[in-house]
Amino acid sequence: DAGVIQSPRHEVTEMGQEVTLRCKPISGHNSLFWYRQTMMRGLELLIYFNNNVPIDDSGMPEDRFSAKMPNASFSTLKIQPSEPRDSAVYFCASSFRGNNEKLFFGSGTQLSVL
Amino acid sequence: GESVGLHLPTLSVQEGDNSIINCAYSNSASDYFIWYKQESGKGPQFIIDIRSNMDKRQGQRVTVLLNKTVKHLSLQIAATQPGDSAVYFCAENRNSNSGYALNFGKGTSLLVTP
Repeated sequence: DAGVIQSPRHEVTEMGQEVTLRCKPISGHNSLFWYRQTMMRGLELLIYFNNNVPIDDSGMPEDRFSAKMPNASFSTLKIQPSEPRDSAVYFCASSFRGNNEKLFFGSGTQLSVL
Repeated sequence: GESVGLHLPTLSVQEGDNSIINCAYSNSASDYFIWYKQESGKGPQFIIDIRSNMDKRQGQRVTVLLNKTVKHLSLQIAATQPGDSAVYFCAENRNSNSGYALNFGKGTSLLVTP
């Protein structure tokens, strides 16, 4: 398996633009997680899905952020409109059972909002 | 130990020495813990995990110790190598009513010198 695949690897955009981050989890995994990493706050959980259903989105900063998982092999994290403070590395991770199982992380998307 | 804010604690060790990285966790209800390694430009990579019914678990060159009484976790790396230089994170499962996800510490930077 290729592991968790994220795209793009790097995204540079201007404030106010819409940003869409993409994730393909490991085949057979039924839980998917979106994390954000910054120096100040470390790794923060934004949202996670079990069997394509959002379970906990309490970490989503505000209404500008939204996430979807239309099927078991694809998820998106959208920021609209983007702001400079959204600049961070966004990681997607997946796991098999979603309960007391290790998470496998993608390589992340480095987002810079100018 | 774990840090708050901009500066990660840094552990500097000589190649061949043993390393010990410490972590204090917060949730006494957590029953599953993981250590991750993150190299520059990459996503966190699983190293070793431990469940709360154990106090020690060994892997290849790594050992995790769990002290539930004081809510302390440590990662020991034997015969540290240059390739071990990275940021190390401990994580605990949230085990909350809203389901399962991992909470990550701020990380410790390990620097291996020749």
